[in-house]
Amino acid sequence: DADVTQTPRNRITKTGKRIMLECSQTKGHDRMYWYRQDPGLGLRLIYYSFDVKDINKGEISDGYSVSRQAQAKFSLSLESAIPNQTALYFCATSETGGTDTQYFGPGTRLTVL
Amino acid sequence: AQSVTQLDSHVSVSEGTPVLLRCNYSSSYSPSLFWYVQHPNKGLQLLLKYTSAATLVKGINGFEAEFKKSETSFHLTKPSAHMSDAAEYFCVVSVYNQGGKLIFGQGTELSVKP
Repeated sequence: DADVTQTPRNRITKTGKRIMLECSQTKGHDRMYWYRQDPGLGLRLIYYSFDVKDINKGEISDGYSVSRQAQAKFSLSLESAIPNQTALYFCATSETGGTDTQYFGPGTRLTVL
Repeated sequence: AQSVTQLDSHVSVSEGTPVLLRCNYSSSYSPSLFWYVQHPNKGLQLLLKYTSAATLVKGINGFEAEFKKSETSFHLTKPSAHMSDAAEYFCVVSVYNQGGKLIFGQGTELSVKP
């Protein structure tokens, strides 16, 4: 079984809709991250959480919110989706005090029409 | 501030020939550096990482990278390309003293011709 899972894997929605992307991990890591990937831009950090009570904005947090429901779960919400949020979204985890290696989920492809 | 630049957006090689993917970094501190690979429709997989031990780092699938402080480079190499190496590759630097935050390069797409 995969250590980091994301649901859904693909989603098509309309402008203005609220969307939630979910991430679960079985690695026992405290730290979790949400990124978006756009062609030619690499991955950019949206939000990150170092434990259940610690949530921080990344470089592109506008238009997004997150919830850390448990150590193993980290959800990303788009309150009112817009077309330029069409992208591939990745969740990742890492362990506290480790070598900063992050382990990625398979990604969610989101299309906003 | 740390940053990373991948010098080629696309590299094309023939099967059996060497692979070179170039990466330069900027950091005021001794960085932790990584190479990740993303195969089509897949997540990112760690290829290798440098964390101030040996400057020549060996990774999975025959890849290796050399940390050169004088050149601020961390180029990825492989002696002989295989068709299965076709993917996108990301050079990544860890942000100093910010608990594991990573900065990604723009990515290099590697094509392997038969």
